[in-house]
Amino acid sequence: GEDVEQSLFLSVREGDSSVINCTYTDSSSTYLYWYKQEPGAGLQLLTYIFSNMDMKQDQRLTVLLNKKDKHLSLRIADTQTGDSAIYFCAEPFFGNEKLTFGTGTRLTIIP
Amino acid sequence: DARVTQTPRHKVTEMGQEVTMRCQPILGHNTVFWYRQTMMQGLELLAYFRNRAPLDDSGMPKDRFSAEMPDATLATLKIQPSEPRDSAVYFCASGLSRGAGLNEQYFGPGTRLTVT
Repeated sequence: GEDVEQSLFLSVREGDSSVINCTYTDSSSTYLYWYKQEPGAGLQLLTYIFSNMDMKQDQRLTVLLNKKDKHLSLRIADTQTGDSAIYFCAEPFFGNEKLTFGTGTRLTIIP
Repeated sequence: DARVTQTPRHKVTEMGQEVTMRCQPILGHNTVFWYRQTMMQGLELLAYFRNRAPLDDSGMPKDRFSAEMPDATLATLKIQPSEPRDSAVYFCASGLSRGAGLNEQYFGPGTRLTVT
């Protein structure tokens, strides 16, 4: 199958904004997801966006969706040390129940 | 606080031994997924159940891996015989199928398997 693509690494200074990008494959995807994985833990659903929206804001998180370019981004405002984790974008396939995950972006916070 | 639980959290075994990993999905969820995570391959879907019926296990090496749901509260993933290349973190996730709607998956903490 095709890959959901993400950059592998991102380093950001504490207090700055982080922007994590993702390119997905299926323009008919109804929902797109962002998951967070902290060290030694499973993935945790962070946020999602419905495909008829181009932006969703939830406290420090902003999701932007460009359907034409199949591009999804996650912006974390005022990045804190607790935001250090791997962030995965995911898109559904096979009737929407299964998810294809991106490679994950490891976010490192510089004090 | 409903969570997916997995046992054991860590397993070290010798090549050739049988390994059984267990998962308790969140009560009321009707989909269960098994994933394997490695540095090289990332997160791979191994098997997927809906209402306890296996729907897709195409990601699983058939000769040595098997996945079952004996009942709605237990999912198992077995490797027999295990090989060093099976070393990875195995995650179970559960969800409530909403068809074309929002399908969130809730992950367990994983089983870290080391095969020597």
